[in-house]
Amino acid sequence: GQQVMQIPQYQHVQEGEDFTTYCNSSTTLSNIQWYKQRPGGHPVFLIQLVKSGEVKKQKRLTFQFGEAKKNSSLHITATQTTDVGTYFCAGPDGGGTSYGKLTFGQGTILTVHP
Amino acid sequence: GAVVSQHPSRVICKSGTSVKIECRSLDFQATTMFWYRQFPKQSLMLMATSNEGSKATYEQGVEKDKFLINHASLTLSTLTVTSAHPEDSSFYICSAIRGNEQFFGPGTRLTVL
Repeated sequence: GQQVMQIPQYQHVQEGEDFTTYCNSSTTLSNIQWYKQRPGGHPVFLIQLVKSGEVKKQKRLTFQFGEAKKNSSLHITATQTTDVGTYFCAGPDGGGTSYGKLTFGQGTILTVHP
Repeated sequence: GAVVSQHPSRVICKSGTSVKIECRSLDFQATTMFWYRQFPKQSLMLMATSNEGSKATYEQGVEKDKFLINHASLTLSTLTVTSAHPEDSSFYICSAIRGNEQFFGPGTRLTVL
């Protein structure tokens, strides 16, 4: 079945440093979504990428979707303590276009030291 | 504000008992809801797709007789963990789609003693 791999599993940074998490799918994706889960909380939708090679920015966050639509990355510039949490990528299950059934990556747990 | 609610947020039960978890979409109708399970420091694993007015679709390896899902209305899906065991202890999260966005409930942390 479809697999979504995410690295690294953990990332510890000093406040102000940059952070990047990478996501790779075993199949071509119609779209990829990114979520953030704060400690003790639930996943919160950040963004969806649909087009090959797409790049989207949200303040200090930059999201990229690979040309082959099988990989993606999330980059945070100048991390802040509020960035702490687990970042998940997720793709539609089975390669479909459904926004519902998602296969999640393992997540990257980000800790930021002040 | 929250668009999907879950109740209870936390429950502790004895082994062998059943626990019902409710998932509600607030101010919108959801013909489809999803139930996920998340173990500590792990990813979300889809358990089943809850369909209003019809049977739920379970993912491979998920026992439908153990995890009963009822989607009786367009705003409510329930997950009942029957004859709970300690290994069922987990964080259960539901989600619903509004527009092109998937909204997750706040989750229910189940502890089975």
